[in-house]
Amino acid sequence: GAGVSQSPSNKVTEKGKDVELRCDPISGHTALYWYRQSLGQGLEFLIYFQGNSAPDKSGLPSDRFSAERTGGSVSTLTIQRTQQEDSAVYLCASSLRVEKNIQYFGAGTRLSVL
Amino acid sequence: SQKIEQNSEALNIQEGKTATLTCNYTNYSPAYLQWYRQDPGRGPVFLLLIRENEKEKRKERLKVTFDTTLKQSLFHITASQPADSATYLCALDDSSASKIIFGSGTRLSIRP
Repeated sequence: GAGVSQSPSNKVTEKGKDVELRCDPISGHTALYWYRQSLGQGLEFLIYFQGNSAPDKSGLPSDRFSAERTGGSVSTLTIQRTQQEDSAVYLCASSLRVEKNIQYFGAGTRLSVL
Repeated sequence: SQKIEQNSEALNIQEGKTATLTCNYTNYSPAYLQWYRQDPGRGPVFLLLIRENEKEKRKERLKVTFDTTLKQSLFHITASQPADSATYLCALDDSSASKIIFGSGTRLSIRP
């Protein structure tokens, strides 16, 4: 597709369940980012992938959060044993490269943990 | 500590006036700074990028300034319209960590 695609757009889950959020970046973009945005707040950096380099996981809030990027394209963010404080919008972005470049965002996945 | 701060309050502007949004940063030395627009329920959309050696950049009704001495960027929308109502985010590169850091955004409302 022409833009960054995220799925699902909305996810409601029960506390303690695992969830997987998917991101399809723009074709050819080597850098991929995950952010979390709570209501009325800014973007909280979670993780980024750049080509075949080891990902920068410095923003992941706990070991319940993990992400993969298979084949340098699609990425999955997994949250295990979800907590109510995990409720937020999870945004994915891609760019041609990490440095000095514009990020293109998906519409996000709104996660609600009951 | 490192900080990037935007107008904490929402900004309400009369249509036709110039809206000015502020982005201040501390303990960063960015090579460039970006501004994004975010509408409710959507991801941010890139608007403008200004490099450290540029004082000002314009795009249609938008103007961005970058003062590395003051550690500040100003974002101006001239002849504002209700359709300009959105949240505006500034972002800068954290060259020490090779990633982009976003401010918390300023919500702008343009009233007819």
